[in-house]
Amino acid sequence: AQKITQTQPGMFVQEKEAVTLDCTYDTSDPSYGLFWYKQPSSGEMIFLIYQGSYDQQNATEGRYSLNFQKARKSANLVISASQLGDSAMYFCAMTPPGGNMLTFGGGTRLMVKP
Amino acid sequence: GAVVSQHPSRVICKSGTSVKIECRSLDFQATTMFWYRQFPKQSLMLMATSNEGSKATYEQGVEKDKFLINHASLTLSTLTVTSAHPEDSSFYICSARAVRTGDLRSPLHFGNGTRLTVT
Repeated sequence: AQKITQTQPGMFVQEKEAVTLDCTYDTSDPSYGLFWYKQPSSGEMIFLIYQGSYDQQNATEGRYSLNFQKARKSANLVISASQLGDSAMYFCAMTPPGGNMLTFGGGTRLMVKP
Repeated sequence: GAVVSQHPSRVICKSGTSVKIECRSLDFQATTMFWYRQFPKQSLMLMATSNEGSKATYEQGVEKDKFLINHASLTLSTLTVTSAHPEDSSFYICSARAVRTGDLRSPLHFGNGTRLTVT
Protein backbone atom coordinates (compact mmCIF):
# COMPACT_ATOMS: atom_id res chain seq x y z
CA ALA A 1 0.00 0.00 0.00
CA GLN A 2 1.08 3.52 -0.66
CA LYS A 3 0.92 6.39 1.78
CA ILE A 4 1.57 10.09 1.37
CA THR A 5 2.14 12.41 4.31
CA GLN A 6 2.07 16.20 4.28
CA THR A 7 2.94 17.41 7.76
CA GLN A 8 2.18 21.09 7.27
CA PRO A 9 -1.56 21.78 7.37
CA GLY A 10 -0.95 25.49 6.78
CA MET A 11 1.91 27.70 5.71
CA PHE A 12 2.41 31.44 5.39
CA VAL A 13 4.93 32.99 3.03
CA GLN A 14 5.73 36.58 2.20
CA GLU A 15 5.11 37.60 -1.38
CA LYS A 16 8.23 37.21 -3.57
CA GLU A 17 9.88 34.81 -1.15
CA ALA A 18 10.44 31.09 -1.72
CA VAL A 19 8.56 28.42 0.19
CA THR A 20 9.00 24.67 0.60
CA LEU A 21 6.03 22.37 1.07
CA ASP A 22 6.92 19.02 2.58
CA CYS A 23 5.86 15.61 1.32
CA THR A 24 7.01 12.18 2.41
CA TYR A 25 5.80 8.92 1.01
CA ASP A 26 5.90 5.26 1.71
CA THR A 27 5.81 2.49 -0.84
CA SER A 28 7.40 -0.87 -1.47
CA ASP A 29 7.19 -0.47 -5.24
CA PRO A 30 10.45 0.44 -6.96
CA SER A 31 8.59 2.25 -9.73
CA TYR A 32 6.23 5.08 -8.95
CA GLY A 33 5.34 8.61 -9.88
CA LEU A 34 5.03 11.64 -7.65
CA PHE A 35 2.82 14.61 -8.47
CA TRP A 36 1.99 17.94 -7.00
CA TYR A 37 -1.39 19.54 -7.62
CA LYS A 38 -2.72 22.97 -6.69
CA GLN A 39 -6.35 23.37 -5.69
CA PRO A 40 -7.63 26.95 -5.51
CA SER A 41 -10.82 27.76 -3.63
CA SER A 42 -12.82 27.12 -6.79
CA GLY A 43 -11.97 23.44 -6.48
CA GLU A 44 -10.26 22.48 -9.69
CA MET A 45 -7.08 20.42 -9.50
CA ILE A 46 -4.20 22.01 -11.36
CA PHE A 47 -1.21 19.84 -12.24
CA LEU A 48 2.08 21.47 -11.24
CA ILE A 49 4.95 19.04 -11.51
CA TYR A 50 5.90 15.38 -11.83
CA GLN A 51 8.84 13.30 -10.60
CA GLY A 52 9.47 9.72 -11.63
CA SER A 53 11.12 7.36 -9.20
CA TYR A 54 13.90 6.63 -11.69
CA ASP A 55 14.49 10.23 -12.69
CA GLN A 56 18.04 11.23 -11.96
CA GLN A 57 17.40 14.94 -11.82
CA ASN A 58 14.93 16.95 -9.80
CA ALA A 59 11.95 18.10 -11.82
CA THR A 60 11.45 21.78 -12.52
CA GLU A 61 8.52 23.63 -14.10
CA GLY A 62 8.88 27.38 -14.12
CA ARG A 63 8.70 28.61 -10.53
CA TYR A 64 8.08 25.10 -9.26
CA SER A 65 10.80 22.62 -8.47
CA LEU A 66 10.70 19.31 -6.73
CA ASN A 67 13.37 18.40 -4.19
CA PHE A 68 13.39 14.64 -4.62
CA GLN A 69 15.34 12.67 -2.02
CA LYS A 70 14.65 9.06 -2.83
CA ALA A 71 16.53 7.53 0.09
CA ARG A 72 14.57 9.66 2.50
CA LYS A 73 11.34 9.12 0.53
CA SER A 74 10.64 12.79 0.34
CA ALA A 75 9.40 14.93 -2.54
CA ASN A 76 9.18 18.49 -1.34
CA LEU A 77 7.76 21.21 -3.58
CA VAL A 78 9.66 24.46 -3.77
CA ILE A 79 7.85 27.53 -5.05
CA SER A 80 10.15 30.42 -5.84
CA ALA A 81 9.14 34.07 -5.89
CA SER A 82 5.71 33.49 -4.36
CA GLN A 83 2.78 35.37 -5.80
CA LEU A 84 -0.57 36.22 -4.26
CA GLY A 85 -2.20 33.87 -6.74
CA ASP A 86 -0.24 30.99 -5.26
CA SER A 87 -2.53 31.00 -2.23
CA ALA A 88 -4.31 27.64 -2.43
CA MET A 89 -4.29 24.08 -1.19
CA TYR A 90 -1.39 21.99 -2.42
CA PHE A 91 -1.57 18.24 -2.65
CA CYS A 92 1.25 15.77 -3.05
CA ALA A 93 0.14 12.56 -4.76
CA MET A 94 1.55 9.27 -5.88
CA THR A 95 0.84 6.67 -8.53
CA PRO A 96 1.82 3.01 -8.41
CA PRO A 97 3.37 1.06 -11.29
CA GLY A 98 0.92 1.15 -14.17
CA GLY A 99 0.10 4.47 -12.64
CA ASN A 100 -3.44 5.58 -13.17
CA MET A 101 -4.96 6.18 -9.77
CA LEU A 102 -3.60 8.74 -7.38
CA THR A 103 -3.13 8.49 -3.64
CA PHE A 104 -3.21 11.96 -2.12
CA GLY A 105 -1.61 13.45 0.94
CA GLY A 106 -3.67 15.49 3.35
CA GLY A 107 -2.73 18.76 1.71
CA THR A 108 -1.08 22.01 2.77
CA ARG A 109 -2.87 25.33 2.69
CA LEU A 110 -0.47 27.99 1.50
CA MET A 111 -1.25 31.62 2.19
CA VAL A 112 0.85 34.29 0.53
CA LYS A 113 1.02 37.58 2.40
CA PRO A 114 1.36 40.86 0.49
CA GLY B 1 -4.02 20.24 -23.78
CA ALA B 2 -6.21 17.44 -22.51
CA VAL B 3 -9.45 18.61 -20.95
CA VAL B 4 -11.92 16.86 -18.72
CA SER B 5 -15.36 18.40 -18.42
CA GLN B 6 -17.54 17.70 -15.41
CA HIS B 7 -21.17 18.66 -15.11
CA PRO B 8 -22.92 20.02 -13.14
CA SER B 9 -20.52 22.15 -11.17
CA ARG B 10 -22.96 22.61 -8.36
CA VAL B 11 -26.18 20.85 -7.41
CA ILE B 12 -28.60 21.10 -4.53
CA CYS B 13 -31.09 18.31 -4.10
CA LYS B 14 -33.56 17.06 -1.54
CA SER B 15 -32.90 14.05 0.60
CA GLY B 16 -34.04 10.85 -1.09
CA THR B 17 -33.55 12.01 -4.66
CA SER B 18 -30.86 10.85 -7.07
CA VAL B 19 -28.23 12.99 -8.72
CA LYS B 20 -26.23 12.21 -11.83
CA ILE B 21 -22.78 13.71 -12.41
CA GLU B 22 -21.12 13.50 -15.81
CA CYS B 23 -17.44 13.37 -16.58
CA ARG B 24 -16.33 13.77 -20.19
CA SER B 25 -12.91 13.70 -21.75
CA LEU B 26 -13.14 16.33 -24.47
CA ASP B 27 -10.12 15.75 -26.64
CA PHE B 28 -8.88 12.31 -25.74
CA GLN B 29 -10.18 8.83 -25.08
CA ALA B 30 -10.10 7.36 -21.61
CA THR B 31 -10.65 3.68 -20.94
CA THR B 32 -10.36 4.42 -17.26
CA MET B 33 -11.70 7.30 -15.24
CA PHE B 34 -11.54 7.84 -11.51
CA TRP B 35 -14.04 9.30 -9.11
CA TYR B 36 -12.89 11.05 -5.97
CA ARG B 37 -14.75 12.58 -3.05
CA GLN B 38 -13.48 15.45 -0.99
CA PHE B 39 -15.07 16.57 2.26
CA PRO B 40 -14.45 20.14 3.45
CA LYS B 41 -10.88 20.80 4.51
CA GLN B 42 -9.90 17.23 3.70
CA SER B 43 -7.98 15.48 0.98
CA LEU B 44 -9.31 13.68 -2.06
CA MET B 45 -10.30 10.08 -1.46
CA LEU B 46 -10.64 7.66 -4.32
CA MET B 47 -14.14 6.23 -4.48
CA ALA B 48 -14.02 4.05 -7.55
CA THR B 49 -12.35 3.28 -10.82
CA SER B 50 -14.63 3.50 -13.82
CA ASN B 51 -13.79 1.08 -16.61
CA GLU B 52 -15.19 1.50 -20.11
CA GLY B 53 -17.41 -1.42 -21.02
CA SER B 54 -17.12 -3.20 -17.69
CA LYS B 55 -18.05 -2.84 -14.05
CA ALA B 56 -16.52 -0.21 -11.89
CA THR B 57 -14.10 -1.12 -9.15
CA TYR B 58 -15.03 0.38 -5.81
CA GLU B 59 -12.74 1.22 -2.94
CA GLN B 60 -13.31 -0.35 0.42
CA GLY B 61 -16.17 1.25 2.29
CA VAL B 62 -17.83 2.78 -0.79
CA GLU B 63 -21.32 1.43 -1.41
CA LYS B 64 -21.63 0.39 -5.03
CA ASP B 65 -25.42 0.39 -4.90
CA LYS B 66 -25.45 3.94 -3.68
CA PHE B 67 -22.83 5.33 -6.03
CA LEU B 68 -23.66 3.94 -9.43
CA ILE B 69 -20.98 4.33 -12.06
CA ASN B 70 -21.49 3.87 -15.76
CA HIS B 71 -18.71 4.19 -18.34
CA ALA B 72 -20.60 3.68 -21.56
CA SER B 73 -18.07 5.17 -23.95
CA LEU B 74 -14.42 6.11 -24.13
CA THR B 75 -15.26 9.72 -23.39
CA LEU B 76 -18.01 9.57 -20.79
CA SER B 77 -18.37 8.27 -17.26
CA THR B 78 -21.30 9.05 -15.00
CA LEU B 79 -21.65 8.86 -11.25
CA THR B 80 -25.17 8.65 -9.87
CA VAL B 81 -25.70 9.25 -6.18
CA THR B 82 -28.88 7.34 -5.45
CA SER B 83 -31.25 8.22 -2.63
CA ALA B 84 -28.97 11.00 -1.53
CA HIS B 85 -28.75 11.96 2.13
CA PRO B 86 -27.20 15.01 3.79
CA GLU B 87 -24.09 13.00 4.67
CA ASP B 88 -23.49 12.55 0.93
CA SER B 89 -22.95 16.30 0.63
CA SER B 90 -19.42 16.65 -0.64
CA PHE B 91 -17.21 17.71 -3.53
CA TYR B 92 -17.03 15.02 -6.20
CA ILE B 93 -14.29 15.18 -8.80
CA CYS B 94 -13.35 12.91 -11.66
CA SER B 95 -10.05 12.36 -13.40
CA ALA B 96 -8.83 10.59 -16.50
CA ARG B 97 -5.69 9.80 -18.43
CA ALA B 98 -5.48 9.54 -22.21
CA VAL B 99 -5.80 5.91 -23.26
CA ARG B 100 -2.75 5.91 -25.45
CA THR B 101 -0.50 7.37 -22.85
CA GLY B 102 0.52 4.75 -20.37
CA ASP B 103 3.42 6.92 -19.45
CA LEU B 104 3.52 7.58 -15.71
CA ARG B 105 4.71 11.04 -16.59
CA SER B 106 1.41 11.97 -18.18
CA PRO B 107 -0.60 13.79 -15.58
CA LEU B 108 -4.07 12.78 -14.68
CA HIS B 109 -6.50 15.40 -15.87
CA PHE B 110 -9.23 16.46 -13.52
CA GLY B 111 -12.68 17.81 -14.06
CA ASN B 112 -13.59 20.97 -12.20
CA GLY B 113 -15.62 19.04 -9.69
CA THR B 114 -19.24 18.98 -8.55
CA ARG B 115 -20.31 20.41 -5.24
CA LEU B 116 -23.28 18.40 -4.05
CA THR B 117 -25.50 19.69 -1.26
CA VAL B 118 -28.29 17.45 -0.02
CA THR B 119 -30.92 19.20 2.06
